[in-house]
Amino acid sequence: DQQVKQNSPSLSVQEGRISILNCDYTNSMFDYFLWYKKYPAEGPTFLISISSIKDKNEDGRFTVFLNKSAKHLSLHIVPSQPGDSAVYFCAASAGRGSTLGRLYFGRGTQLTVWP
Amino acid sequence: ETGVTQTPRHLVMGMTNKKSLKCEQHLGHNAMYWYKQSAKKPLELMFVYSLEERVENNSVPSRFSPECPNSSHLFLHLHTLQPEDSALYLCASTWGAGTGELFFGEGSRLTVL
Repeated sequence: DQQVKQNSPSLSVQEGRISILNCDYTNSMFDYFLWYKKYPAEGPTFLISISSIKDKNEDGRFTVFLNKSAKHLSLHIVPSQPGDSAVYFCAASAGRGSTLGRLYFGRGTQLTVWP
Repeated sequence: ETGVTQTPRHLVMGMTNKKSLKCEQHLGHNAMYWYKQSAKKPLELMFVYSLEERVENNSVPSRFSPECPNSSHLFLHLHTLQPEDSALYLCASTWGAGTGELFFGEGSRLTVL
């Protein structure tokens, strides 16, 4: 049973516009959420995270929003750049600090940013 | 350089072969992981090691055998694999009581013929 879901396998956005990647989760015990980015032939790299005590976290062009009541989070990239083209994974964990990094991952969304 | 190095990057093996994947981290972490990424599936956790002790085995078949001789090195020994085991195997590390942020290696692409 998949506890973290990314229902859009792909997203195509024009350069300069906003990219919105969505993620849903089912486990109400999740209290820490992360986004990873993966280029072909490379391992995933950490992008941004958010704790359940917050509803927004911003880092430069990247903002993650968390809606706990809807069990939904989203990653906004604005403005989108061609170098952002990659697979984006949503991940979640329960019991921050005690789970040895036990993360549940979604299947990923392939973002393509075109000129 | 990611700080987590995996070798080999690509491996092709027959079902009767025995091979090993190696992972080395230079980040001073004390927890290491093996993940499996199959096509169109989420990353699946296989094994977790904390302070060189295996703390989780996520129902992985015995044809996969992990080894963690010290906090910087992690191996995945492979024997009598099946074609469906073909996947990208990712090693990751972190601080055991940390935030859950994992640092991944670039992966070992395994093909079982």
